[in-house]
Amino acid sequence: EDQVTQSPEALRLQEGESSSLNCSYTVSGLRGLFWYRQDPGKGPEFLFTLYSAGEEKEKERLKATLTKKESFLHITAPKPEDSATYLCAVQAFGNEKLTFGTGTRLTIIP
Amino acid sequence: NAGVTQTPKFRILKIGQSMTLQCTQDMNHNYMYWYRQDPGMGLKLIYYSVGAGITDKGEVPNGYNVSRSTTEDFPLRLELAAPSQTSVYFCASSGYNEQFFGPGTRLTVL
Repeated sequence: EDQVTQSPEALRLQEGESSSLNCSYTVSGLRGLFWYRQDPGKGPEFLFTLYSAGEEKEKERLKATLTKKESFLHITAPKPEDSATYLCAVQAFGNEKLTFGTGTRLTIIP
Repeated sequence: NAGVTQTPKFRILKIGQSMTLQCTQDMNHNYMYWYRQDPGMGLKLIYYSVGAGITDKGEVPNGYNVSRSTTEDFPLRLELAAPSQTSVYFCASSGYNEQFFGPGTRLTVL
């Protein structure tokens, strides 16, 4: 059974204080690992897809990286508008479904 | 493109009542999904569809039904609502990789 564990559950940072969120996974043949951002009262918003170990993707202050066992979402010099819950999900080959983690709630303090 | 739209945004049901949550996508995606999201529990898959006329159960299908008569629409039916179905419901669609989510329906069963 595919599993996704995200840590920490919650993270509070000062504005400008860089950090990383972790997503550990077990999957029977990784087809893709997905990162989403979710604001309160909204649906998840797609950020990145990573397909193979060593791959990296960037968007503004966010960079996602992937190894064979985990993915990191690095946030550099965050701003208050980066406050949200960040979700990680995996998809196995031959499977139309995603398995989601429970998310990391990130708060950036001005 | 409106993306994925869901109606209603909010609904309060009495125990034993029935209702249909509507979901429509305008991206011509074959894959569509219904999730529920409870606090601290992550997104759980209820049902999914790989194309018109084809549906299958996810992790938590009990108490729900779906149909897919067109590519665009994927309604979720709740029969005999129970307090355990109080949750936020998200519909998503996918072409080949990432899933795109609607804004959600917040359902309370009293």
